[in-house]
Amino acid sequence: DGGITQSPKYLFRKEGQNVTLSCEQNLNHDAMYWYRQDPGQGLRLIYYSQIVNDFQKGDIAEGYSVSREKKESFPLTVTSAQKNPTAFYLCASSTLLGKYQETQYFGPGTRLLVL
Amino acid sequence: SQQGEEDPQALSIQEGENATMNCSYKTSINNLQWYRQNSGRGLVHLILIRSNEREKHSGRLRVTLDTSKKSSSLLITASRAADTASYFCATDPFRTSGSRLTFGEGTQLTVNP
Repeated sequence: DGGITQSPKYLFRKEGQNVTLSCEQNLNHDAMYWYRQDPGQGLRLIYYSQIVNDFQKGDIAEGYSVSREKKESFPLTVTSAQKNPTAFYLCASSTLLGKYQETQYFGPGTRLLVL
Repeated sequence: SQQGEEDPQALSIQEGENATMNCSYKTSINNLQWYRQNSGRGLVHLILIRSNEREKHSGRLRVTLDTSKKSSSLLITASRAADTASYFCATDPFRTSGSRLTFGEGTQLTVNP
């Protein structure tokens, strides 16, 4: 059953704590993305990766870190430097047609709450 | 700033009516995509329209693209209560390198039974 999965569904962070959100895909997609969505708003790009062992900052990368050690996995760490982490986090993956962006497939999301 | 901006921000209609949502963008694009999001869920891709296309259909959905006006519209015909969701446009801006989508703020559609 192909798709993109995220875990956990809900995550609670204590002040000063780093937390890691998981994103896995078995679609054999080269590109993977992390977005942040605040209530009633659109998606903002945090980081993206087009190839293993390489990634680029998006529009709001401060306070976040990523790794891409395997094609299937793109975990996001929300560090203690991110002062307002409460949001809905969405992971996506896609194929790339040269420099063109094709359809993105999204995971179900992780809701991060601060205790 | 966001490349795509949807209009209206919110739309409430009766079941059976048509719903039209608009998206405007600022720079040249390779393609424009429409996505749907049910509350608290991930986004689902609806339609991708390339810059050399003017109209595409998928079931009850019709998307138009006017590159001279830098705008697109999504029409949902004969709406159903199950169409209630947020709808986002996303643009793939024309560039020489790098590849990413830029999403708008979305239109919240409510279809009343």
